Amino acid sequence: DTEVTQTPKHLVMGMTNKKSLKCEQHMGHRAMYWYKQKAKKPPELMFVYSYEKLSINESVPSRFSPECPNSSLLNLHLHALQPEDSALYLCASSRTGSNEKLFFGSGTQLSVL
Amino acid sequence: QQQVKQSPQSLIVQKGGIPIINCAYENTAFDYFPWYQQFPGKGPALLIAIRPDVSEKKEGRFTISFNKSAKQFSLHIMDSQPGDSATYFCAAILTGGGNKLTFGTGTQLKVEL
Repeated sequence: DTEVTQTPKHLVMGMTNKKSLKCEQHMGHRAMYWYKQKAKKPPELMFVYSYEKLSINESVPSRFSPECPNSSLLNLHLHALQPEDSALYLCASSRTGSNEKLFFGSGTQLSVL
Repeated sequence: QQQVKQSPQSLIVQKGGIPIINCAYENTAFDYFPWYQQFPGKGPALLIAIRPDVSEKKEGRFTISFNKSAKQFSLHIMDSQPGDSATYFCAAILTGGGNKLTFGTGTQLKVEL
């Protein structure tokens, strides 16, 4: 199994809502990542978990809250988002935290109204 | 010093043509240079990667040429097909943990019949 599975595929939320994005991999990878991608732009790194510990936080606003319950799962909790947060949110994993060979999921297309 | 410059922004070729996408980097410490392919509605997928100790790497119809002295690398797609139409991102990283992948700005490739 070489897949990174993300749910939901699409999400529409209001600015006062609380929602969560979920990511799962069963490749035995020990590093997991959240990226944000705007249309026609490269992915931007948000968070990195290495061996279930947060290792990189790219100065992301606190309305985004990551969680890594175990080595296979990664969540991104969303609260009080702004319309400019609308984007494709990508989860990725790699064998170790060295960032080589990232495996990306298909993403969650988020719209904030 | 962390930038990776990518060109062209978009490219249209005829079926069977050889599109070439170029990238230039500044940080001579980078030691891993991957290319990612992204189809609409999907996450990026690792296509091919090279380390700076070799000047060329081929995988199927895809070739990376690497010029360490010029700090440039390029992707060539031989016998291009309409199914190759996608966005291509070059990237670079100093591996070993704690560093983030630096993406180029992306090239939208369209292969016409």
